Amino acid sequence: GENVEQHPSTLSVQEGDSAVIKCTYSDSASNYFPWYKQELGKRPQLIIDIRSNVGEKKDQRIAVTLNKTAKHFSLHITETQPEDSAVYFCAASIRSAGNMLTFGGGTRLMVKP
Amino acid sequence: DGGITQSPKYLFRKEGQNVTLSCEQNLNHDAMYWYRQDPGQGLRLIYYSQIVNDFQKGDIAEGYSVSREKKESFPLTVTSAQKNPTAFYLCASDRGQGSNQPQHFGDGTRLSIL
Repeated sequence: GENVEQHPSTLSVQEGDSAVIKCTYSDSASNYFPWYKQELGKRPQLIIDIRSNVGEKKDQRIAVTLNKTAKHFSLHITETQPEDSAVYFCAASIRSAGNMLTFGGGTRLMVKP
Repeated sequence: DGGITQSPKYLFRKEGQNVTLSCEQNLNHDAMYWYRQDPGQGLRLIYYSQIVNDFQKGDIAEGYSVSREKKESFPLTVTSAQKNPTAFYLCASDRGQGSNQPQHFGDGTRLSIL
């Protein structure tokens, strides 16, 4: 089955700096890659997603890049703010075979004011 | 994501007891999922259902059971066979296979052993 590795497990940045979180996946058939943000004790919230037919997607300060050949995708957050502090999860799924998500282990992002 | 309701928010289980976690959605989604989250870790899939009266095991189904008698409801039973049930349980739903819509989550149930 699919395996998703996520790095780093913790990331501390200064407010205003950029943060990058990387994920690799094992199943070349995976074609949908969402990113979720989870605050302590709350539900994961989708922040951005990308499908395998595009290489990059941007939404204000957040961007995701996908390299299908290398089977990795990354989340980029620019101009970080204290409210960006949370745990971020990447995931992968094969849309045509059901939408079961395989999650990475998570990255705890801390933005220091 | 107010369309997915999980209850209760906190649940305590005694030794040898089965407990049932509720998940209801009013989003008219075909597919529903149960995930388990342990502290500091990612989400792992327990069971999923693509359609009413059908469900499939996920990666960690042992010690759990589900039913899908109605489209809106996907309850999860944590049986006494699950020896380490303490975790945060998240229910999710989406439009199902081949959909371009993302998966939405409920607020979760935190289960602890008494």
